[in-house]
Amino acid sequence: QSVLTQPPSVSGAPGQRVTISCTGTSSNIGAGYDVHWYQQLPGTIPKVVMYGNDNRPSGVPDRFSGSKSGTSASLAITGLQTEDEADYYCQSYDSSLRGSVFGGGTKLTVL
Amino acid sequence: QVTLKESGPALVEPTQTLTLTCTFSGFSLTTTGERVTWIRQPPGKALEWLARIDWEDDKFYTTSLKTRLTVSKDTSKNQVVLTMANMDPVDTATYYCVHSHRGKWRGCFDVWGQGAVVTVSS
Repeated sequence: QSVLTQPPSVSGAPGQRVTISCTGTSSNIGAGYDVHWYQQLPGTIPKVVMYGNDNRPSGVPDRFSGSKSGTSASLAITGLQTEDEADYYCQSYDSSLRGSVFGGGTKLTVL
Repeated sequence: QVTLKESGPALVEPTQTLTLTCTFSGFSLTTTGERVTWIRQPPGKALEWLARIDWEDDKFYTTSLKTRLTVSKDTSKNQVVLTMANMDPVDTATYYCVHSHRGKWRGCFDVWGQGAVVTVSS
């Protein structure tokens, strides 16, 4: 059972917009710690697609955006493409556990 | 360019101790802000943060596995070693060695090793 809660799956048609939520508590996201998002394409290693809540690394399409409010964060993907089909994980820091924590992952299916 | 590579046994027997080595390049663990973290992923499951070692030799462990984990560094060899005692079949996973820097990209895990697949079985 992961410290951060994500929906197990989301789906959308090509061109549509989807959002993936990440819910934490007052000892992690709610305490003001940054949320980072990782994309894991099938059979590959994770890759950061959003850091510090709403910052995109160079090379990540601007179709990806991030936000954070209270004890939750979200990753939005607009103009869905088949290449976006992957598992997405949120990550933050937890002051009670004194370590990083991950969400359980969300499988994005592009219909 | 930062790179990391994990090495170690692909198969360990239950109750044995696992020793994984992360050999890295492109940075030094003597430089302020540098960090190396171990993360694992059981087959078909989520990522799990295990341990971190910093440039000042500070060490942090996940609470649930704290008694079984040890992380250390050899700065002369640019290596970080993770040991996990008393291995169990539930510890079967891909183990990743990951770079981060306190001042870069808000400390996110920016470069990942390819991962070491470890199976625990007799």
